[in-house]
Amino acid sequence: QQQVKQSPQSLIVQKGGISIINCAYENTAFDYFPWYQQFPGKGPALLIAIRPDVSEKKEGRFTISFNKSAKQFSLHIMDSQPGDSATYFCAASGGRAGSYQLTFGKGTKLSVIP
Amino acid sequence: DTGVSQDPRHKITKRGQNVTFRCDPISEHNRLYWYRQTLGQGPEFLTYFQNEAQLEKSRLLSDRFSAERPKGSFSTLEIQRTEQGDSAMYLCASSPWGGADTEAFFGQGTRLTVV
Repeated sequence: QQQVKQSPQSLIVQKGGISIINCAYENTAFDYFPWYQQFPGKGPALLIAIRPDVSEKKEGRFTISFNKSAKQFSLHIMDSQPGDSATYFCAASGGRAGSYQLTFGKGTKLSVIP
Repeated sequence: DTGVSQDPRHKITKRGQNVTFRCDPISEHNRLYWYRQTLGQGPEFLTYFQNEAQLEKSRLLSDRFSAERPKGSFSTLEIQRTEQGDSAMYLCASSPWGGADTEAFFGQGTRLTVV
């Protein structure tokens, strides 16, 4: 059972454009939703994260939009740059006490072309 | 370097052999996690330690897998009688004490190839 569904699988965006990646979750007990960025040969690195008590969080060019009723959240990358080309994973965690494991989506490979 | 360190970075082994990976977390991080990542997939949770106690294990962690964190510092992940399906990137992460929203820092992983 895939608890976090991510789309699209791949995305090509022109430099300066907006990249949008969507995720949906099933477990209503999740209460922490991070996005990770992974470059080839590297481990994932936290990009930005949100709790369900807010609907939007912005950090520089990166924004998370969160819709609790729809159980969906998305990552928006404004003014996309070639250096943003990487694989992005949404994730979720929380719920029952003591559960800190992250449940990841399958990832979105973003290519930003000049 | 103060990041999560994993060793080796790459391991090629023959089917049926045992392998052991090591993870050194960020100093003073009391939580340590192991994940497995196959090609084109997101990381999948394997197990979690709080200090030296193994508190969570995924059903993905079959009897052939064992993880330890004997002194609450570094951790090892051993796979016995490796199978071709074990080929994957094994990622270690650590985090300090805190709630579920505490950032987990990942290492660069150990890529295992079983031939």
